[in-house]
Formats: sequence, structure tokens, C-alpha cells
Amino acid sequence: GEDVEQSLFLSVREGDSSVINCTYTDSSSTYLYWYKQEPGAGLQLLTYIFSNMDMKQDQRLTVLLNKKDKHLSLRIADTQTGDSAIYFCAESYNNNDMRFGAGTRLTVKP
Amino acid sequence: AAGVIQSPRHLIKEKRETATLKCYPIPRHDTVYWYQQGPGQDPQFLISFYEKMQSDKGSIPDRFSAQQFSDYHSELNMSSLELGDSALYFCASSLKWTSSYNEQFFGPGTRLTVL
Repeated sequence: GEDVEQSLFLSVREGDSSVINCTYTDSSSTYLYWYKQEPGAGLQLLTYIFSNMDMKQDQRLTVLLNKKDKHLSLRIADTQTGDSAIYFCAESYNNNDMRFGAGTRLTVKP
Repeated sequence: AAGVIQSPRHLIKEKRETATLKCYPIPRHDTVYWYQQGPGQDPQFLISFYEKMQSDKGSIPDRFSAQQFSDYHSELNMSSLELGDSALYFCASSLKWTSSYNEQFFGPGTRLTVL
């Protein structure tokens, strides 16, 4: 999606932390999401953050939001091979349709 | 727990044919969304329905139409199919009226191949 940008590829070693970055342009976005898509599978919501928050932590996942710079990041601690997938950043205004980034393909090497 | 069901999971059609994709939302969910994900692309929002009425419209071609029925299931009708319509079509459902945040639960998708 042209309004949401992500880097396309990230490769890390098992046990390291992964950081996936995303920038968006719509300042009226109220919700920002991270979805995971495994090969041939559907979209799985990992976590979301409301625009008035700047951080959210959920087990191994940490989301950081810099609303001023319209920058969102997802940090995965202790990355495992099972985390290999495509990660989509998405935004929405008031929970209506979502606009997705192009997705970041995370490869975890043993 | 019941999830979003989409049928068929795979569909092969020829150019200029028509196709109908079905989506059965999670029970009691009142909102259905359709997304199209082309090969190597991000999902693009097509259209959504809330309480059987069209709610939002995205990049849905005029050749496509959709509706939500009284049992809340939705169908995406695609006519005059083109090669570029080959994609994974996702349906998502949510319960919109109860809270300010409503998670969209995605179905497994229907993979449409147009030959």
C-alpha cells in the first residue's frame, strides 16, 4: 500500500531480536496493527496499538509508536525459526478498512 | 472456537467467466470485509458490510459486486474475469457495535486463478 511502507526483507539468527519497521502517512490513523502471514496461510493479528499509546508489550513482542514521525516498529525478542513469515504493518481510522504495507519477509536462520 | 469460513478454498476459472466467493463470519459478528492480495502484494481493501448494508468501499472494480445476507454471510461476485484478478481473496469479520476497537478476524482466503 502506498500509504504504509516497510522494508521488504529481514534476516536474523535464532535467538537474536528482530526489529521490523513501518512508516505511515495518514495522521488520522487511530489504530496500527501488526499481522503475521505464514506461507499459504491467512493473516493472523499479532498485536495492535492505539494511536495515543507509544508502547505496547505482549510477551516477546514490543510495539513502539512514534506518532510525530509516523513510525511504527515491532520487536520480536528471542526470535525463533517458527517466527519466519511475512509481517504486515497496517493502519486504520476508527476500525474501518485497513491499509496494509507491502510486508516484511522475516527469515530466521538456525 | 469457530473462525471465519471461506469457500471455496481454491478456484480456477477462465478469462471472461464469473466467480462467486463465499464468506461465513464468526457467529454473532455483524461486519464483513473483503480484501484482495495479489501475488507478492499486500492485501488491498475491496468492500465492507455492516448489518447487511455496504459500509465502506475500497478498490473494488466495477466488475465485482458483493452483498451481505440476512444470516450475515457475504458473497463476492466477480464477472468478466481477467488474468489480473488472480489473487488470494480474504474475508474478515468483526463485531463492530460493542466497542471502539473491533478486531478483524481473517479467514484462510480463497485462491482464485484465472487462466
